[in-house]
Amino acid sequence: AQTVTQSQPEMSVQEAETVTLSCTYDTSESDYYLFWYKQPPSRQMILVIRQEAYKQQNATENRFSVNFQKAAKSFSLKISDSQLGDAAMYFCAYLNNAGNMLTFGGGTRLMVKP
Amino acid sequence: EPEVTQTPSHQVTQMGQEVILRCVPISNHLYFYWYRQILGQKVEFLVSFYNNEISEKSEIFDDQFSVERPDGSNFTLKIRSTKLEDSAMYFCASSEGYQGFFGPGTRLTVL
Repeated sequence: AQTVTQSQPEMSVQEAETVTLSCTYDTSESDYYLFWYKQPPSRQMILVIRQEAYKQQNATENRFSVNFQKAAKSFSLKISDSQLGDAAMYFCAYLNNAGNMLTFGGGTRLMVKP
Repeated sequence: EPEVTQTPSHQVTQMGQEVILRCVPISNHLYFYWYRQILGQKVEFLVSFYNNEISEKSEIFDDQFSVERPDGSNFTLKIRSTKLEDSAMYFCASSEGYQGFFGPGTRLTVL
């Protein structure tokens, strides 16, 4: 079974600064998908960014980018120019090759200081 | 933009009662999922559903749980005899392949 680990329960960043959230995972599959989800206080799960394991190029979505290291099984999220609205829980998630099970990490609570 | 919807937004029930949580996935999606999140904890996979049958399920998804797609649009999660520890946020998600879209969740409170 796959496991996803987020080693930072809480992170803090100054507004307009850059922050990196860490995620590692364990799998025996070679093809899979990785995601970062944002969960604000409303508890809605919002997709931030997605990475296909077969793509070497790191995914980027505006101020959000990932550092995907397949051999190291690492998938970190970088948030540039942090904004107050970025404050939320962030979950890293692994989707298996069959596409029928999404496994979440324990989450990182991001605080943004004005 | 199409979205996953869930009803009710909040359900309060007595221990031992049956509850049915409802979801309307995005119409052209083929995969449907249920997840739960106990307050302050991680999001846990319960079950996935494809082609009118369970595709994968976790250890949490025991005989007390069942899923159904009673018509072409709804996807339901039934808990037969609720326990206090079933209190959680329940999320439905749907996918057309490899990107899940989550509903807003149903907060279940078992008293």
